[in-house]
Amino acid sequence: QALLVESGGGVVQPERSLRLSCAASGFSFSNHAIHWVRQAPGKGLEWVAVIAYDGTNIHYADSVKGRFSISRDNSKNTVYLQMSSLRAEDTAVYYCARDRPRDDYGDLRFDYWGQGTLVTVSS
Amino acid sequence: DIQLTQSPSFLSASVGDRVTITCRASQGISNHLTWYQQKPGKAPKLLIYGASTLQSGAPSRFSGSGSGTEFTLTIGSLLPDDFASYYCQQLDTYPLTFGGGTKVEIK
Repeated sequence: QALLVESGGGVVQPERSLRLSCAASGFSFSNHAIHWVRQAPGKGLEWVAVIAYDGTNIHYADSVKGRFSISRDNSKNTVYLQMSSLRAEDTAVYYCARDRPRDDYGDLRFDYWGQGTLVTVSS
Repeated sequence: DIQLTQSPSFLSASVGDRVTITCRASQGISNHLTWYQQKPGKAPKLLIYGASTLQSGAPSRFSGSGSGTEFTLTIGSLLPDDFASYYCQQLDTYPLTFGGGTKVEIK
């Protein structure tokens, strides 16, 4: 059974940095792109970033471009989200989610999600 | 960016009702649309992908249809477990985007 576990959330002051981790198990991690999605308190879902299975292809939401950086270490089955210049509007639960296998040419979908980690940006 | 407009944003229904939620895209996205269910304090759960393919393990009372710019999620007969929020998502073009959500509550 695939499992994704986020960690690294907490309370951070504006303009500071934080690094989130998404640790995977139970599947062939290096075959899957991984996404980050966030949800502000009481609000809807917002896609944040994606990294391809081999790290060669990366995309970001406009709201975090230039401030957030996604990376992965396939030897550790882990994806990271380095967040800098944090703002109050970055306060949210951050989820990581698995995309389809790279050898599956069917439709994209996020079939497994972590439980989320809360980031609160406040002075 | 592709905008997704879900309607209604809030829906009050009874157990046994047939419910339809609509998602409209600001430009054509073929069938590159997914639907998720989310309960309070929990991660979203995939229901439908490719606009109409039921995810393995999702109940058959959920169905999806549409292509291009108009999509629907239908719950054939509401069960108590279905009271939740539902989100559509387009996976046609980066940045990926979600609809604003539909909260289904008990009448």
